[in-house]
Amino acid sequence: GAVVSQHPSRVICKSGTSVKIECRSLDFQATTMFWYRQFPKKSLMLMATSNEGSKATYEQGVEKDKFLINHASLTLSTLTVTSAHPEDSSFYICSAGTSSVSYNEQFFGPGTRLTVL
Amino acid sequence: GQNIDQPTEMTATEGAIVQINCTYQTSGFNGLFWYQQHAGEAPTFLSYNVLDGLEEKGRFSSFLSRSKGYSYLLLKELQMKDSASYLCAVLDSNYQLIWGAGTKLIIKP
Repeated sequence: GAVVSQHPSRVICKSGTSVKIECRSLDFQATTMFWYRQFPKKSLMLMATSNEGSKATYEQGVEKDKFLINHASLTLSTLTVTSAHPEDSSFYICSAGTSSVSYNEQFFGPGTRLTVL
Repeated sequence: GQNIDQPTEMTATEGAIVQINCTYQTSGFNGLFWYQQHAGEAPTFLSYNVLDGLEEKGRFSSFLSRSKGYSYLLLKELQMKDSASYLCAVLDSNYQLIWGAGTKLIIKP
């Protein structure tokens, strides 16, 4: 149980284009979804937290107009990187939390490697 | 500020035991997680400690001392597949996960 999928797993795009990444909880309802980015040999950096049906809460320094997050249902959240630039190249990971787990465990998706040329 | 410290890299021999330490200073504490992350993959859950003491789960054990702001992950009977990064993360008073930079564990035959 508690499987999270992410699509696509890898994407290469040209500078200036927009890229959408989907995160789905397959066998549970995710009350909260988290979006992280990770640079090589660095720790996970939380970008935003989203609850179904409400606006995402962005971390300091993360541009909400550039990284659009939509949490339309209890099983789906999307992250859209708008007008991507080479510095946006990174490993993007989503995770989902459920109130049914007593210790607030987050279940991670497999990640999306974004390369902007 | 909030801070999680763990060694950058450790090397151990197949079949041996290794202990990965983690110290933390956070605003509040609601538990400490250890995750394993293989290169290019997302983290996978290993353990969760919220009370002081040792939690054993097969070859992996995790220890917590809240008064010292300290935890360790103990890996026994090391296997080559244990080569990965091990991430320590603390749930703070706002139930936000604060992540350490991870410890890269290299296992040698």
